[in-house]
Amino acid sequence: KNEVEQSPQNLTAQEGEFITINCSYSVGISALHWLQQHPGGGIVSLFMLSSGKKKHGRLIATINIQEKHSSLHITASHPRDSAVYICAVKFPSTDKLIFGTGTRLQVFP
Amino acid sequence: GAVVSQHPSRVICKSGTSVKIECRSLDFQATTMFWYRQFPKQSLMLMATSNEGSKATYEQGVEKDKFLINHASLTLSTLTVTSAHPEDSSFYICSARPGPPDNEQFFGPGTRLTVL
Repeated sequence: KNEVEQSPQNLTAQEGEFITINCSYSVGISALHWLQQHPGGGIVSLFMLSSGKKKHGRLIATINIQEKHSSLHITASHPRDSAVYICAVKFPSTDKLIFGTGTRLQVFP
Repeated sequence: GAVVSQHPSRVICKSGTSVKIECRSLDFQATTMFWYRQFPKQSLMLMATSNEGSKATYEQGVEKDKFLINHASLTLSTLTVTSAHPEDSSFYICSARPGPPDNEQFFGPGTRLTVL
């Protein structure tokens, strides 16, 4: 079983729809990252969270420490949001990030 | 925001040659840099962690003589793929972390290596 699980694996949406991507992890963490990877390959760091909620433009990330769960929401989705979204966690005892398998989002006009 | 660059973005080389990939933190000092490898449709796999001025720590299964990492300054780390073979073809990504108390990692755009 992966230490970090994302759902769904693939997501298709119509432009304007509200999108939710979920990430669950198995043990306590010190930080959780949401990353975006476009088809060209480059990775952009969207958020780093250790508690609560963060918002940037149309993106919102929340984390529930007790339930070991985080969500990434995209409001008013747009075709340019099409990408792979990756959740990565940092456990307190290690320097490393553990990555989820990613959610492939396609937004159609 | 913090910017990490990689050079080159894309490289094609012949089997048996060595390739150097640079990772630079442009507007901050990175005490720690990470090197990742990504195969098509798979997630990132950590290859090694390097701290400025000390030897890199390699993950299990990663050959240190094959993938030479040098973190000579607080803004530059290099990954050299020695005697490259077609199976080394992959997407290589670095990330950089400023250091305590800032634990965020900032990722480079990646380097696509194709070995013929």
